[in-house]
Amino acid sequence: SQQGEEDPQALSIQEGENATMNCSYKTSINNLQWYRQNSGRGLVHLILIRSNEREKHSGRLRVTLDTSKKSSSLLITASRAADTASYFCATEGDSGYSTLTFGKGTMLLVSP
Amino acid sequence: NAGVTQTPKFQVLKTGQSMTLQCAQDMNHEYMSWYRQDPGMGLRLIHYSVGAGITDQGEVPNGYNVSRSTTEDFPLRLLSAAPSQTSVYFCASTQQGGGYGYTFGSGTRLTVV
Repeated sequence: SQQGEEDPQALSIQEGENATMNCSYKTSINNLQWYRQNSGRGLVHLILIRSNEREKHSGRLRVTLDTSKKSSSLLITASRAADTASYFCATEGDSGYSTLTFGKGTMLLVSP
Repeated sequence: NAGVTQTPKFQVLKTGQSMTLQCAQDMNHEYMSWYRQDPGMGLRLIHYSVGAGITDQGEVPNGYNVSRSTTEDFPLRLLSAAPSQTSVYFCASTQQGGGYGYTFGSGTRLTVV
């Protein structure tokens, strides 16, 4: 079954604005990862946050993790048209074997 | 360039036919996995492998078979294609031990008619 749910399902903003996407999950995790998928392409790894971390930054990306609420958020600052894509959160469990469980994704449209 | 290579990119099968989706990585990653992506469903795990000779089932394994004879290759076999297997298939790999980002292939778009 799907581990997580992203919110919102779709987000439309103007260039220069910030975009925030949320992810909730159900079970205990080792880490949570965010991926980007451009239309018709494979997924690209953006950022990973471990279960003992609360916040992480990478360029224009900021990820937070609240394990007590089983939720995470991805903030993209100063969005560009090139950020238009689908964004997925994925959790890696703490069972010892490495597999990812994905949410259904957020479609982000950034208009010039 | 280093990465995960999937072939073919597109395939049309008739119901009942079999085929193999190829996946190869040149990063010496121990962990490899297959996902399928359907509209509105995100990605679901089909099978995965934690090393040569070791495979296990994911969330949706029925109708698929895998083997891992080398570290580099992880083919996915459709035994008898069904329309419900129409999907986009992604292969991914990562380093042993978990806690690392995955590298994904560009996908195989499969249509079963």
